[in-house]
Amino acid sequence: GAGVSQSPSNKVTEKGKDVELRCDPISGHTALYWYRQRLGQGLEFLIYFQGNSAPDKSGLPSDRFSAERTGESVSTLTIQRTQQEDSAVYLCASRLLGWPPGYGYTFGSGTRLTVV
Amino acid sequence: DQQVKQNSPSLSVQEGRISILNCDYTNSMFDYFLWYKKYPAEGPTFLISISSIKDKNEDGRFTVFLNKSAKHLSLHIVPSQPGDSAVYFCAQHRGADGLTFGKGTHLIIQP
Repeated sequence: GAGVSQSPSNKVTEKGKDVELRCDPISGHTALYWYRQRLGQGLEFLIYFQGNSAPDKSGLPSDRFSAERTGESVSTLTIQRTQQEDSAVYLCASRLLGWPPGYGYTFGSGTRLTVV
Repeated sequence: DQQVKQNSPSLSVQEGRISILNCDYTNSMFDYFLWYKKYPAEGPTFLISISSIKDKNEDGRFTVFLNKSAKHLSLHIVPSQPGDSAVYFCAQHRGADGLTFGKGTHLIIQP
């Protein structure tokens, strides 16, 4: 596709349930990032994938969060035993590595997760 | 500890006037900065960037200024138009680790 696609666009889940969010990056973009935006906050880095290298998980807030990416394609972000503080918009971005980096990042529209 | 700070959560400007959005940063090891614009229910879209070899970058109505000694950058929009109403994020490019964002400034252009 022409852009980064995320699904679902909205998700309401009960506290304690697991959720899985999906990101389809732009074909050929080797780098993929997950960010989270909680209400009134900026975009918070969660995890970064680059090709077949080990992902940078330094931004994941707890061990309830995990993410996978198969090669340079789809990525899934899984949140286990969801808590109300997990409510946020989860944004995925893919990037064509190079310089300058500005034009390289393309964001999806996000998944709005609400934990009730 | 916030490494990129946007201290104004919102800014209201009259149509046709200049909008000035400010951003401060703490880590001068990474010297490439970007501004993103975000409408509700959409992802951020890239607007303009600047690297430390410059102190100004201009693209149409948008100009970004970088003051390295003050660790401060600003985005100027002139003249402001109704379609400019959005949340604007300042971001610092940290190499392969991606972007560190500020909390955003909600710009409201009044007719």
